[in-house]
Amino acid sequence: RKEVEQDPGPFNVPEGATVAFNCTYSNSASQSFFWYRQDCRKEPKLLMSVYSSGNEDGRFTAQLNRASQYISLLIRDSKLSDSATYLCVVNVWNFGNEKLTFGTGTRLTIIP
Amino acid sequence: NAGVTQTPKFRVLKTGQSMTLLCAQDMNHEYMYWYRQDPGMGLRLIHYSVGEGTTAKGEVPDGYNVSRLKKQNFLLGLESAAPSQTSVYFCASSSWRDGNEQFFGPGTRLTVL
Repeated sequence: RKEVEQDPGPFNVPEGATVAFNCTYSNSASQSFFWYRQDCRKEPKLLMSVYSSGNEDGRFTAQLNRASQYISLLIRDSKLSDSATYLCVVNVWNFGNEKLTFGTGTRLTIIP
Repeated sequence: NAGVTQTPKFRVLKTGQSMTLLCAQDMNHEYMYWYRQDPGMGLRLIHYSVGEGTTAKGEVPDGYNVSRLKKQNFLLGLESAAPSQTSVYFCASSSWRDGNEQFFGPGTRLTVL
């Protein structure tokens, strides 16, 4: 089983719609969680951290479910500029070493 | 601030050739990382460094060496390139002062023939 699993998509969604992605992780010792965004042929950039109580940043909402070991990302009122690949990232600290594990990404295309 | 920069941006090598990829950051970050990204595989950690003069192996270190002689630079070396090393290489840096967010460079596209 992969440490971090994501549905690769593609998700083709009309502009203005709401879309949600899930990501599951296998290591119950995982301590911090992130969503990164990667545009085509560009570097990944942090979209948002994911907190235990859930958090919102504008149109984006992230949730963490430790019991079921998954995180989710919800995008409301989607824009054309939201088209990108979204990477789920899980962090484990082990004896002073940080291990960041990236999912393979979910590709999202917003259709006009 | 330039953030994280990588040189070169593109390179084509023949099997058996060697090369060094350079990563530089101007954010005074303690941690630096080298990843490779392949289709369907996600980003995989090659080597990383928690400070000047220290390096450690990541998930896929074989065939690569690294050095961190200065805090702002992290070099990735391929001593004898193989076609399996064709990939996009990303460097990243982070600091506890920035919440351990990893800032990535623009990437190096390497093709080994």
